[in-house]
Amino acid sequence: AQKVTQAQTEISVVEKEDVTLDCVYETRDTTYYLFWYKQPPSGELVFLIRRNSFDEQNEISGRYSWNFQKSTSSFNFTITASQVVDSAVYFCAPRGGIFGAGTRLFVKA
Amino acid sequence: DAGVIQSPRHEVTEMGQEVTLRCKPISGHNSLFWYRQTMMRGLELLIYFNNNVPIDDSGMPEDRFSAKMPNASFSTLKIQPSEPRDSAVYFCASTTLRGAHEQYFGPGTRLTVT
Repeated sequence: AQKVTQAQTEISVVEKEDVTLDCVYETRDTTYYLFWYKQPPSGELVFLIRRNSFDEQNEISGRYSWNFQKSTSSFNFTITASQVVDSAVYFCAPRGGIFGAGTRLFVKA
Repeated sequence: DAGVIQSPRHEVTEMGQEVTLRCKPISGHNSLFWYRQTMMRGLELLIYFNNNVPIDDSGMPEDRFSAKMPNASFSTLKIQPSEPRDSAVYFCASTTLRGAHEQYFGPGTRLTVT
């Protein structure tokens, strides 16, 4: 059985704070991909990043960074110096059709 | 690239009426997904097509829901008869290879059944 858990339902931070969103994916598969998507208040779903289970190297893209640890089944997403425009729901998705419950991020000015 | 196209963007209908939602995936994508999003249940997969063939329809709520993909560039999701509990945002998404590649989502259809 596969299970994806985003334990944080809502997070509220003040602008410029760093924030980390957690995702745990439990599977017996030895190879897999993990994805993060963003859904801003406007409602569209936007792809952010894809990582494969072979690659545990952290990735940084501007203010975004991702930490994948296969040993703990965690694929966490950090936003550095958060901005109001980062306010959205963030979904962790192991593969097509399987999405976590999402974490709603509020960034206050 | 035009992205995934969905129509209509908004639909308001009365209980008992038939509703048809439409989706045009990105050209070259061979996997298509229909999702439903509500506050209570989050994002749910309804059905998944690969090369126009339905692969997994276990998420389709009941016989009132049906989906077709007659060709690589068009899919429909039909609800007949509609009920108020069907009110939700319905998303269509496409990708080149399920599980390995990211999905591209359409803007969604907001359905309200009164």
